[in-house]
Amino acid sequence: ELGLVESGGSLVQPGGSLRLSCAASGFTFNRFNMNWVRQGPGKGLEWISSISASSDSIYYADSVKGRFTISRDNSKRFLYLHMNSLRAEDTAVYYCARNWNFYYYYMDVWGKGTTVTVS
Amino acid sequence: DIVMTQTPLYLPVTPGEPASISCRSSQRLLDNDDGHTFLDWFLQKPGQSPQLLIYSVSYRASGVPDRFSGSGSGTNFTLKISRVEAEDFGVYYCIQHIEFPHTFGQGTTLEI
Repeated sequence: ELGLVESGGSLVQPGGSLRLSCAASGFTFNRFNMNWVRQGPGKGLEWISSISASSDSIYYADSVKGRFTISRDNSKRFLYLHMNSLRAEDTAVYYCARNWNFYYYYMDVWGKGTTVTVS
Repeated sequence: DIVMTQTPLYLPVTPGEPASISCRSSQRLLDNDDGHTFLDWFLQKPGQSPQLLIYSVSYRASGVPDRFSGSGSGTNFTLKISRVEAEDFGVYYCIQHIEFPHTFGQGTTLEI
């Protein structure tokens, strides 16, 4: 079945680190670009990072650049977000999302999210 | 960065009535090389992940009812619901992805 499942969210102290994982199923993972999007409590959606199918193109929002690292393991069908130097403003639900990238481009499959609390 | 501005931020509606949400971008979202316009719409229902409604301005995602329609060009885009149903309530977001960083609008809450 087609799906994404995030894990790894927890309570962490400011300045701490965390690694989020996103397990993909039901599709050929190594053909799709992937994204991380977050949503702070009571706030809107914020795109934070994207990685191409082969990991040769990576992009970050300025708010996380230099602190977060996106990566993927196509053999294991996992997407990761390594988060360092965490701040209170990083508190959010973190979603991974698949990017359909065949002629049209859009985030079509989303996980349920994992919650990171920095306090 | 491209700024996405949605109006209104709150939209009270009655089931059965139409609804319209506007999204304006600070730059044009048309890629002249391939002719695509990189503007999509999402709906986030309470306690759920965002779900894709419309991609490339006007194409409905799989399973999206035809009461939803998207239109626009350049920097002005609109999402319309011909007749709002109870399941349509939630927060609607537009997003541009013609360039990085991708940016969302602030969200429009469709409420009773």
